[in-house]
Amino acid sequence: ETGVTQSPTHLIKTRGQQVTLRCSSQSGHNTVSWYQQALGQGPQFIFQYYREEKNGRGNFPPRFSGLQFPNYSSELNVNALELDDSALYLCASSVFGGSEGYTFGSGTRLTVV
Amino acid sequence: KNEVEQSPQNLTAQEGEFITINCSYSVGISALHWLQQHPGGGIVSLFMLSSGKKKHGRLIATINIQEKHSSLHITASHPRDSAVYICAVRYWSGGNQFYFGTGTSLTVIP
Repeated sequence: ETGVTQSPTHLIKTRGQQVTLRCSSQSGHNTVSWYQQALGQGPQFIFQYYREEKNGRGNFPPRFSGLQFPNYSSELNVNALELDDSALYLCASSVFGGSEGYTFGSGTRLTVV
Repeated sequence: KNEVEQSPQNLTAQEGEFITINCSYSVGISALHWLQQHPGGGIVSLFMLSSGKKKHGRLIATINIQEKHSSLHITASHPRDSAVYICAVRYWSGGNQFYFGTGTSLTVIP
């Protein structure tokens, strides 16, 4: 049984560029949630995908978009990067409504310069 | 507004001490998650509970649904317990996602 894998682990982008972050969910999980964690803060919910459909969205602008594939892996896309987008992006997979909670990936550290 | 509050924000303890971290929330929840985050960012799930108490090794988590409060206890603390401990809740009205507190930074001194 594999855990949650995120790629890349670190990334440096220039303001205005676009970025795609990837997440493969744990075997048996059908839901992927994305979170942004700024330094010293708790993770903030971006959105969640369940069976390839978006199932909730946090207070993030439309520049943040995503999708989920039939194998339940997921991508987070951020367009027109801003300096404040610099953060740790966390992916968590789970079974929708399950009793075991989230399994987290190690995150992608994005730095926008 | 759905809020998750943790206390204390920072905690320093001597090795061997009994530690308690608290989490309170504002509205009804279907589940509460205790998580551990080490420097570098990796997050590990410790417990998920919706009632009562769970124990794993030196860690104990309790929840009081009526008081909207949960505690995480660490017995016989050790320097390797040094990490940020985060409480997250899944609200009945908030879909399937979890909402996180800002975490408690624990440092255990040898």
